Amino acid sequence: GGIITQTPKFLIGQEGQKLTLKCQQNFNHDTMYWYRQDSGKGLRLIYYSITENDLQKGDLSEGYDASREKKSSFSLTVTSAQKNEMAVFLCASRRDSSYEQYFGPGTRLTVL
Amino acid sequence: GDSVTQTEGQVTVSESKSLIINCTYSTTSIAYPNLFWYVRYPGEGLQLLLKVITAGQKGSSRGFEATYNKETTSFHLQKASVQESDSAVYYCALGNSGGSNAKLTFGKGTKLSVKS
Repeated sequence: GGIITQTPKFLIGQEGQKLTLKCQQNFNHDTMYWYRQDSGKGLRLIYYSITENDLQKGDLSEGYDASREKKSSFSLTVTSAQKNEMAVFLCASRRDSSYEQYFGPGTRLTVL
Repeated sequence: GDSVTQTEGQVTVSESKSLIINCTYSTTSIAYPNLFWYVRYPGEGLQLLLKVITAGQKGSSRGFEATYNKETTSFHLQKASVQESDSAVYYCALGNSGGSNAKLTFGKGTKLSVKS
């Protein structure tokens, strides 16, 4: 078995601030994902990475940067936090030979 | 693009009654997508409930079933007799492939409340 950890669990920032969310997985999975979940809107893909140092934009990448320096970790940076960005950010990973994505517990972002 | 539409908002069902959560999909990226139901129980992370990757097949798990119907582009989730422990948020999702660039498109989620 394995686990995905996301830090921090809760993140409070000021409008305009640069904020970083971190994700670690010990499944040794190849592909990792960042999703944003807004209330009543499901999950929307921000970035994904199919291997170390690879980055692919999702549907919602504007205003975000991502980094995959190691196979086990995938970071997401909110470049300038906005009040309408308050949401839960979910990290997921997947082995290339499998269809299933495994999700972390999420980081809840609040922008003041 | 790809999209998933499912029963919106909250559904309340009495314990031991039957349940259906509707899911329909639309895709331009792949002829026969992979279809999934994910679930988030209170206080837990999102997890896979069941998946079907072949059109016409049925998936099942924990008493839930869903059949991949390519004619109606639907993947409705059903359970004959719900329990209080089934209270959760359910998400229908479409996968565009099984390769390294596989992506999921999610519906907005349906919150199931089972009352005793």
